[in-house]
Amino acid sequence: KNQVEQSPQSLIILEGKNCTLQCNYTVSPFSNLRWYKQDTGRGPVSLTIMTFSENTKSNGRYTATLDADTKQSSLHITASQLSDSASYICVVSEAGNNRKLIWGLGTSLAVNP
Amino acid sequence: GAGVSQSPSNKVTEKGKDVELRCDPISGHTALYWYRQSLGQGLEFLIYFQGNSAPDKSGLPSDRFSAERTGGSVSTLTIQRTQQEDSAVYLCASSFPIGPYEQYFGPGTRLTVT
Repeated sequence: KNQVEQSPQSLIILEGKNCTLQCNYTVSPFSNLRWYKQDTGRGPVSLTIMTFSENTKSNGRYTATLDADTKQSSLHITASQLSDSASYICVVSEAGNNRKLIWGLGTSLAVNP
Repeated sequence: GAGVSQSPSNKVTEKGKDVELRCDPISGHTALYWYRQSLGQGLEFLIYFQGNSAPDKSGLPSDRFSAERTGGSVSTLTIQRTQQEDSAVYLCASSFPIGPYEQYFGPGTRLTVT
């Protein structure tokens, strides 16, 4: 069983709409949780990094939330744009081993005009 | 400044041949990481370098895989006697030497073993 699970596996929305992606993890104790965006054929790009003590962090139209008690995180995208079409990956690092990241399989988002 | 660069961007090789993949990290990033991403799979950690040493090689899938880093900069991932299951995108990332060690990724090398 993957230690970082994401849902939905894929999502299609219309341009301008909002969406929320989910991440559940079992890594414990954990140090920080990250969300990455990966465009097709490109390497992942960091969107947010949150420590266990942070509940929310924003990066433009992207807002990540974290509930360390329930081991859940979400990534909310506001007013989606065509360029938001990508895979969004939730990543967790173990406490004491910040360099080794445990990757989810990602949610594939398609924003249609 | 320049980001992480990788070469080649695509590599097609015959089964049984050796291949070398190159990564140029961001200047000043002392940590360097190699990952493998197979179709439909999450990123798989291969190896991590701090400077020229590799404290964590735990992800290398077999002894056909090796990596080195010279001058605290360029790294080479070598796969010997390639197999079809080695076909994947190989991603390199680098990070600063202090936390939270945010990793910056290169565009990857797509390896196809025929």
